[in-house]
Amino acid sequence: EAEVAQSPRYKITEKSQAVAFWCDPISGHATLYWYRQILGQGPELLVQFQDESVVDDSQLPKDRFSAERLKGVDSTLKIQPAELGDSAVYLCASRRASGTEAFFGQGTRLTVV
Amino acid sequence: AQSVTQPDIHITVSEGASLELRCNYSYGATPYLFWYVQSPGQGLQLLLKYFSGDTLVQGIKGFEAEFKRSQSSFNLRKPSVHWSDAAEYFCAVGFDGSSNTGKLIFGQGTTLQVKP
Repeated sequence: EAEVAQSPRYKITEKSQAVAFWCDPISGHATLYWYRQILGQGPELLVQFQDESVVDDSQLPKDRFSAERLKGVDSTLKIQPAELGDSAVYLCASRRASGTEAFFGQGTRLTVV
Repeated sequence: AQSVTQPDIHITVSEGASLELRCNYSYGATPYLFWYVQSPGQGLQLLLKYFSGDTLVQGIKGFEAEFKRSQSSFNLRKPSVHWSDAAEYFCAVGFDGSSNTGKLIFGQGTTLQVKP
């Protein structure tokens, strides 16, 4: 069964350092999402891609966060510099262009110390 | 603005008892509605979804949900809870499949604890 792959699963970094997360969506899924889930809350959308284009990044803190999906397949989310408040689980999800269901990866748990 | 409210942050039920998790939404058009479950350290797994048609939808693991347009609700139910159902449950609204846009907006989640 196809899955959304994310790495690393866990990451501990010191504040002010740079950190990056990787996501490989299900093959053929044109839409890719990055969500942030703070402990005790529901996931919040950071950025949405349609192929290689950003569709929605209104909630992405652009002064420190960046995301790319250069070839419209896998994607990288970067934080530089990391802050204590960035500690969260970062979830990647993908969906077929005309699909109605988003499939989620297991997430990357980031701890900033 | 689109929003999802899950009024119950934490629910405890005895194993074998029935369960209902509440979800209310605010959405301008006919919504696509979802329930996801998240076990500790895991990603989100889709339990069921509603797009149109029959307002009572069946999902995996014996769950069902009923869409009530008049109440803007999409409550999740299970007639008999098993210990393995202990997890966090998220209601979500979103997607416009016809235009390939849209995003999922999640509620805050309800943590389900099951007593033996």
